[in-house]
Amino acid sequence: QSVLTQPPSVSGAPGQRVTISCTGSSSNIGADYDVHWYQQLPGTSPKLLIYANTNRPSGVPDRFSGSKSGTSASLAITGLQAEDEADYYCQSYDSSVSGSVVFGGGTKLTVL
Amino acid sequence: EVQLVESGGGLVQPGGSLRLSCAASGFTFSSFAMSWVRQAPGKGLEWVSAVRGPGDGTYYADSVRGRFTISRDNSKNTLYLQMNSLRAEDTAVYYCVKDFRGPPFEYWGQGTLVTVSS
Repeated sequence: QSVLTQPPSVSGAPGQRVTISCTGSSSNIGADYDVHWYQQLPGTSPKLLIYANTNRPSGVPDRFSGSKSGTSASLAITGLQAEDEADYYCQSYDSSVSGSVVFGGGTKLTVL
Repeated sequence: EVQLVESGGGLVQPGGSLRLSCAASGFTFSSFAMSWVRQAPGKGLEWVSAVRGPGDGTYYADSVRGRFTISRDNSKNTLYLQMNSLRAEDTAVYYCVKDFRGPPFEYWGQGTLVTVSS
């Protein structure tokens, strides 16, 4: 059971927009801790996609965007492409958890 | 260019031990905290442990505390994870990751697979 809750799967057709939610609580996202998002393509290491809620590292397309409100955060992907098919993880910090670093359970994005 | 290269994974029996290593390059190793994050087969990411840059502070997930020991040798730019009393549920790919709390995990190694089975 992950501290941060993500839907196990989402899907969309090429060109569409999808969103992935990341729901936390008052001890993590709601405590104003930053949320980061990672993309993991099959058989590869996770890659930083969004940091500090809304920021894209250099090289990440602007089709990817992040937002945060209250105890939740969201990742939006517009203009869906076949190469976006991957697992996506949110990550934040939790004052009640040893070490503080917490991940969501991950969401499998399928491009139809 | 930041590079993190793990080694030391393999097959070990329940109750056994294994030491993972992570060779770092491309940045001032001693200035940054380092973490281990693992991923069980078909499962999500789990933060395991971290150590401060000077090596004077260590942190563990409850699931490994008392069994795993993180350390670093800043003269060799190398991070370690000593894993004792291994259990089947420790089976996972272990990633070496630059940073800990605060900065995001921007740099990940390729991972090393640890399989605990008889």
